[in-house]
Amino acid sequence: GAGVSQTPSNKVTEKGKYVELRCDPISGHTALYWYRQSLGQGPEFLIYFQGTGAADDSGLPNDRFFAVRPEGSVSTLKIQRTERGDSAVYLCASSPTRVRTGELFFGEGSRLTVL
Amino acid sequence: QQQVKQSPQSLIVQKGGISIINCAYENTAFDYFPWYQQFPGKGPALLIAIRPDVSEKKEGRFTISFNKSAKQFSLHIMDSQPGDSATYFCAASSDNNNDMRFGAGTRLTVKP
Repeated sequence: GAGVSQTPSNKVTEKGKYVELRCDPISGHTALYWYRQSLGQGPEFLIYFQGTGAADDSGLPNDRFFAVRPEGSVSTLKIQRTERGDSAVYLCASSPTRVRTGELFFGEGSRLTVL
Repeated sequence: QQQVKQSPQSLIVQKGGISIINCAYENTAFDYFPWYQQFPGKGPALLIAIRPDVSEKKEGRFTISFNKSAKQFSLHIMDSQPGDSATYFCAASSDNNNDMRFGAGTRLTVKP
């Protein structure tokens, strides 16, 4: 597809379980971002990849959150021992260049509900 | 984490009216100020953006006004249409940061 693809679109899990959220960015985009959007709030930065490496993971709330991008394309956000407070929409965005000020292309998000 | 404050939280405008959303920022290093539009169930999409070397940018019915000294910028939607009903986010970023900081959003409803 032409846009950023995120799967699953919806995930319901129980407290304490492990979840993985996948992002397939626009082909050729080197920069990839994960954001978290809670109800009624703006997107909150989690992590930024430039190529395969996590260039900035300062937004990850704690060590239960981890993300990888092993081949510089698809990325997976991993959440261990989920808590009810992790419930949110997780947005992935990509950008074509290393320039840090410019358009972000967002996916439709993965809505995570932790019961 | 919020460094961009947005108001109002919600806005109701009649069709044909002007919608105005305001944002204020704190970090003087910010040098790129976009507005994103988000429809329910969709990701945010870039609407219009401005850099601080100009005080105004217009694209069709959408205008950004920028006041560097006051550290404020606003979005004006002229001739508002029901199809403009969405949530609007202001944002800011700089070359010193890897992330883009978003406001809390404004839910705009345009009544026919």
